[in-house]
Amino acid sequence: KAGVTQTPRYLIKTRGQQVTLSCSPISGHRSVSWYQQTPGQGLQFLFEYFSETQRNKGNFPGRFSGRQFSNSRSEMNVSTLELGDSALYLCASSLRNTGELFFGEGSRLTVL
Amino acid sequence: EDQVTQSPEALRLQEGESSSLNCSYTVSGLRGLFWYRQDPGKGPEFLFTLYSAGEEKEKERLKATLTKKESFLHITAPKPEDSATYLCAVRLGGTGGFKTIFGAGTRLFVKA
Repeated sequence: KAGVTQTPRYLIKTRGQQVTLSCSPISGHRSVSWYQQTPGQGLQFLFEYFSETQRNKGNFPGRFSGRQFSNSRSEMNVSTLELGDSALYLCASSLRNTGELFFGEGSRLTVL
Repeated sequence: EDQVTQSPEALRLQEGESSSLNCSYTVSGLRGLFWYRQDPGKGPEFLFTLYSAGEEKEKERLKATLTKKESFLHITAPKPEDSATYLCAVRLGGTGGFKTIFGAGTRLFVKA
């Protein structure tokens, strides 16, 4: 069974640019959530999607957005990048009634 | 405010030296407590789910336990390959949807 796939794995952007990250969940998983991981703040919840609807959102500015498609694939977008957005962005899928998260390898974003 | 605290931040053990990691939480609407293992450069890997006080789960050299306010991850006779960061997480749910909050993690080093 294929795991969670995130693309791209690594990317470098400059301040002010925008970025889109993609996540393909495990087949049959309809819930997708996104996390930002930095050395100082650890894993911070960004948002969770279920059946194309955002069900919950973490404490991040409006520059961070996401969406989920009918095939459960998800994208997140960060606009007007800042240096502090440099982080590992992790996507996780789950069967919503269990809560167990299965993570991808992450997309490492560096903002210069 | 919902909070998850892990201790110690780092733990150095000799191979075979058993110990425990702690996760204490102050949350409302708890829907489960989870333990994950994260290796450098990888996404977290699910280990255990605990739902109620008194519950215990075991897997190889690891055993997780849960009380009303905290959880312990006991490591018996660890090996160098157990070196990783261990993350505790709580799943919260309510009318606003679900979200998972992670602790900062305990970095475990096991020396041969």
